Formats: sequence, structure tokens, C-alpha cells
Amino acid sequence: DTEVTQTPKHLVMGMTNKKSLKCEQHMGHRAMYWYKQKAKKPPELMFVYSYEKLSINESVPSRFSPECPNSSLLNLHLHALQPEDSALYLCASSESTGGENYGYTFGSGTRLTVV
Amino acid sequence: AQSVTQLDSHVSVSEGTPVLLRCNYSSSYSPSLFWYVQHPNKGLQLLLKYTSAATLVKGINGFEAEFKKSETSFHLTKPSAHMSDAAEYFCVVSVITSGGSYIPTFGRGTSLIVHP
Repeated sequence: DTEVTQTPKHLVMGMTNKKSLKCEQHMGHRAMYWYKQKAKKPPELMFVYSYEKLSINESVPSRFSPECPNSSLLNLHLHALQPEDSALYLCASSESTGGENYGYTFGSGTRLTVV
Repeated sequence: AQSVTQLDSHVSVSEGTPVLLRCNYSSSYSPSLFWYVQHPNKGLQLLLKYTSAATLVKGINGFEAEFKKSETSFHLTKPSAHMSDAAEYFCVVSVITSGGSYIPTFGRGTSLIVHP
């Protein structure tokens, strides 16, 4: 299995809702990433997990809460989002964060709309 | 600090003509560089990567890129564009953080438009 699977593919939520995005990989990768991508822009790094520990948080608002329950699974919990949080949320994985040669495998993303 | 600059925000070609998407990097050493493609409303797919093994790198779908240290460039080329190549292309470099982790850092992207 050489894929990163993200669910759901599309999500519409109100500003008072709580929802979660899910990301799964079975390649044995020990680094996982969350990115936010607005239209016509490159992905912006949000969080990095290395060996199931949060290693980088790019000053993301607390209404976004990441979780890594095990080495194959990464969640992003959403609460009290704003309309400007509407974007494509991408998950990625790599063998680890310890080497620059590792490629990054991306999921297809979750298209989030906050109403 | 390592970074990449994609010189063109848009490139427009006719089907069957060559494609050139330009990327320059900034690094004090030979970095690891990648090209990714993103079709509309899709995730990112790795086209090819340079990791110092060979300066000319062949990727998927007929794309290739050449690492030129003297020019600090890693331009993406394809001899003949196909309509299905129309997409957003990102040049990416692995950047080391202050904590010692390598993370992917993206160029701004180049939108490739292919005319019939």
C-alpha cells in the first residue's frame, strides 16, 4: 500500500460544529504532516508528527487540534472554525523527518467549507 | 536558509510543444529537490526527486529535470505537452528546521495551461 488516505473528501460545517478529519497510511512512515491550502496558493504547513509525537506546530489557532493515536493514523479535530478556515486540508507522510532525501506522499485532501 | 523560487506563475503552451517550468534554489549545499503536480481539486503527486545520485532525473509521464549547481536551478521539462498535463506544479526543497527536522517547503507554484 503506497497511499495516504484522507476522509472525508468533502466536509461542510457550521461555525459551532465539531468535526474531525482523518488521515491514514500503511507504509510504515514515522512522520506525518497536516497542510492547509487555499485556492491558487502553495500548501502551508500546520503540524508535523514524528514517531507519534508533535514536533512542529506552526502557530496554528487552537480551534485546530491534531492527534496521532498510532503510527498509521493522524486526526485533525476542528471546533468553532471561521469561514476563512475554508480550504483544502492535505495530509502527507514520509519515512521520517530525519533525512532530507525522503520523499513525501500526499493524500487527496479534504475540501472543507465553513458556513 | 534553503528555499526555492518558481520564476513563472503561469506557463502557456500548445499541445505537442515542449514544456519548461523553471525553479531556482537557494542553499549552501546540494539540497534534496522535488517536483509535484496537482490537478484541480486533487492532492499532490510526486513527479520526480533529486537526491544527488544523478543530475538528470527522469520522472513519471515523460517529465524530467536537470540539477545544475552552477546555475542553482532545477527546471522541469517535457518534450511534448499533452492536454492532461494542465495542472499546478510545485517545486519543493527539504529544509532543516532549528530542531533538526527536515520538512518540505514549497515554491509558489506554476500553473501550466495547455492549448489544443
